[in-house]
Amino acid sequence: DGGITQSPKYLFRKEGQNVTLSCEQNLNHDAMYWYRQDPGQGLRLIYYSQIVNDFQKGDIAEGYSVSREKKESFPLTVTSAQKNPTAFYLCASSKGAGEKLFFGSGTQLSVL
Amino acid sequence: GQQLNQSPQSMFIQEGEDVSMNCTSSSIFNTWLWYKQDPGEGPVLLIALYKAGELTSNGRLTAQFGITRKDSFLNISASIPSDVGIYFCAGRSGSARQLTFGSGTQLTVLP
Repeated sequence: DGGITQSPKYLFRKEGQNVTLSCEQNLNHDAMYWYRQDPGQGLRLIYYSQIVNDFQKGDIAEGYSVSREKKESFPLTVTSAQKNPTAFYLCASSKGAGEKLFFGSGTQLSVL
Repeated sequence: GQQLNQSPQSMFIQEGEDVSMNCTSSSIFNTWLWYKQDPGEGPVLLIALYKAGELTSNGRLTAQFGITRKDSFLNISASIPSDVGIYFCAGRSGSARQLTFGSGTQLTVLP
């Protein structure tokens, strides 16, 4: 079955550490996205990519980095520069930019 | 940027009751989407709307694309316990490359 897979489900970060969240899709979608969700809040766009080897900053890109070396994969690195990283992170993909999104099951990141 | 106002922010209803929620935008949208998110999971697409005035159903759920193209509505009939979750609207204007999301409606169904 086609889908979008995020891993791990839970992740813990120590102070000053970089961590990478994985996102893989086998839907043959061109566009991929990363959102951050804080408790009781909506979705805020971190980064998005419309095509391989290209990506753009969203509304809250500071302290995060991404890469898009393969169509299927769009990993997100939460760097030590992100001072408040505790949140639920959602990866999504769409066939084209701005079309309906399909989401992964999310990664809960917490700081030790 | 574009703004979406979703209301109500939360709802507590009795099992069996009908539910209504809505989203309004500051600009004209050409796509409206409604998602549901269960706790600890990613949002799942419920209904997609692409034309002003369009009314689309998915089981007990019905959504409408407002005539002004600046609003959308979601109705749930005869609510059941598994309807609990957060409902998000999302929309896109003609030139936008990504969706704009509402802040969500937290629905609680009481037995």
